[in-house]
This record gives sequence, structure tokens and C-alpha cells, in this order.
Amino acid sequence: KAGVTQTPRYLIKTRGQQVTLSCSPISGHRSVSWYQQTPGQGLQFLFEYFSETQRNKGNFPGRFSGRQFSNSRSEMNVSTLELGDSALYLCASSLTGTEAADTQYFGPGTRLTVL
Amino acid sequence: LAKTTQPISMDSYEGQEVNITCSHNNIATNDYITWYQQFPSQGPRFIIQGYKTKVTNEVASLFIPADRKSSTLSLPRVSLSDTAVYYCLVGPSGGYQKVTFGTGTKLQVIP
Repeated sequence: KAGVTQTPRYLIKTRGQQVTLSCSPISGHRSVSWYQQTPGQGLQFLFEYFSETQRNKGNFPGRFSGRQFSNSRSEMNVSTLELGDSALYLCASSLTGTEAADTQYFGPGTRLTVL
Repeated sequence: LAKTTQPISMDSYEGQEVNITCSHNNIATNDYITWYQQFPSQGPRFIIQGYKTKVTNEVASLFIPADRKSSTLSLPRVSLSDTAVYYCLVGPSGGYQKVTFGTGTKLQVIP
């Protein structure tokens, strides 16, 4: 089975621009979560989508948004980029996101650099 | 939130067995314990998951005592390629927004 894929792998943007990142979950997985990882803050939960609906949200400003399509693929968007948004953005998929033994599998990440 | 505490770093020589312990005092009844391995600039890779007692797979063993307030990841005969950060997570009862990644344990394998 193919793993979680993320595109692009690397991005360089300037302050004020917006960016869209894409994630394709493992086949059959319906829950997709996004995380931001920085050296200072570690891995932080952004949001989770299930059946095209945002089910859970972390503590990030409204500039961070996402969506999920009917095939479970997901995109996240960051508008009005700030220097502090430079990070590794990780997507993870799981079957349901709520079952006790549910396991998340992570993609390779998108490295975003904001200049 | 299911908070976890792990040692920040550990060193080990090649060929030795490494045990990394994680403390999770407020683990919920339905929570499972999952360990991930992460290399720099890559996504965390699933290693092993368990609920109680002992679980073993081809790469690691996971020991969970009866009270489930801690767990120990055991890596047999580590090699240089095992140098990575190891994260212990508990959950996801209640959803992944309630799962926190701690600082992880940076394992350095020495030749």
C-alpha cells in the first residue's frame, strides 16, 4: 500500500504571500490531520478533517485553513505568510481518527521557508 | 490532554539494547500507546503500538506495566541508522487534537 504523500516537498515564499500544500492519505483512510513542526515549538496539531468536514482544530490563527475532498485528499492553505510560519508541515492519515487503536501514519512533510 | 514525559536525550553504542521510558500518568482508559521515530526533516515513522503488557514486532518491543502509567520502548542491537528522535504518544480517544507530541528522546548511537 502506498504511504501518505505530500506535495510539494519544499517551498520558498516571501512574507505576505499565500501557500497551498497538498496531502494524499493512505488508501482507505478517511481522517487527515495536519501538524506544524518547528525547532522551538515541536510538533503542533493544526486541524483534522474527516468526510470533508473539519472535525478538530488546534490553536492556530485563521490564516491557517484547510479542506478535504471526497477522495479524502486534503489541502491546507496559509495566507499572509509571516516569517514565523517557516516550518515543516506534516500530514498524517488514519482510518477514522477516533477509534482507540487508530494509528496515524505521517507523510514526508513539506518544508516551507518564508523569506 | 494526555501529556507524556521522556528523557531529552540518550547515547548508546552500536550493538547494544536501548530502552527508552515514557511517563504518561494521566492516560485514559481507552488510550493506546504509540511510538514514532523521526529523522531530521522527515515525517515521524510508526514503530509500535500497544495497550497493555508486551508487544513485539520486527523492529522493537513495547513493555507496558499493569498500571499503564509508563511504557518502555526497547530497541535491540541498535545501529548507527537508529540515531533519531523517538516520540511516545498516548491516545487518540477523544481525537487527535488531544494528543500531544512531547519533546521526544534524541537517541545518538555511537560507533
